[in-house]
Amino acid sequence: NAGVMQNPRHLVRRRGQEARLRCSPMKGHSHVYWYRQLPEEGLKFMVYLQKENIIDESGMPKERFSAEFPKEGPSILRIQQVVRGDSAAYFCASSPPGETQYFGPGTRLLVL
Amino acid sequence: KQEVTQIPAALSVPEGENLVLNCSFTDSAIYNLQWFRQDPGKGLTSLLLIQSSQREQTSGRLNASLDKSSGRSTLYIAASQPGDSATYLCAVRGRGNEKLTFGTGTRLTIIP
Repeated sequence: NAGVMQNPRHLVRRRGQEARLRCSPMKGHSHVYWYRQLPEEGLKFMVYLQKENIIDESGMPKERFSAEFPKEGPSILRIQQVVRGDSAAYFCASSPPGETQYFGPGTRLLVL
Repeated sequence: KQEVTQIPAALSVPEGENLVLNCSFTDSAIYNLQWFRQDPGKGLTSLLLIQSSQREQTSGRLNASLDKSSGRSTLYIAASQPGDSATYLCAVRGRGNEKLTFGTGTRLTIIP
């Protein structure tokens, strides 16, 4: 059973470009979570999704950020018009309903 | 709003010593508490999970305790080894929601 997969592992974007981060949950997991780790800071919750539904987006910045978890395919975290402050490690986790979250290896985003 | 604090932020100890890492949280209405390990540039590895009804969990040389009423948890590492060098993160899950609230971590260095 493969773990949580994230790609790309490293992503470099110039200011103003779009970043798309992908997360494939573990087999059988219907819940996906996104967290962000800014340099020298702890992980912060961003959003919690189930298939085709956003359950809790209380940690998402109000602008430029969006997330989806379609019926088929991976969950996508999309950042439009990236700025230098978006440079961070973005971690995805998945779980069965109400159970322990398993984390992926993260995507390191660098905005030049 | 739940806040999680980890003290100390960094710790260096000689190989072979026993050590304790501390985690405190402000809202005692938690569902569970989890300790993770994060190696530089890597993802998170779950070490121990303590349900709110439990007082401690053990895995090998690791022992985690939970005192919910005082809002504290400790991670005890016995007979430390250089391979234990990493950042240790504490995270709590509140009742009624799925998101994890993380502390900022303790960066542990074991000196050979």
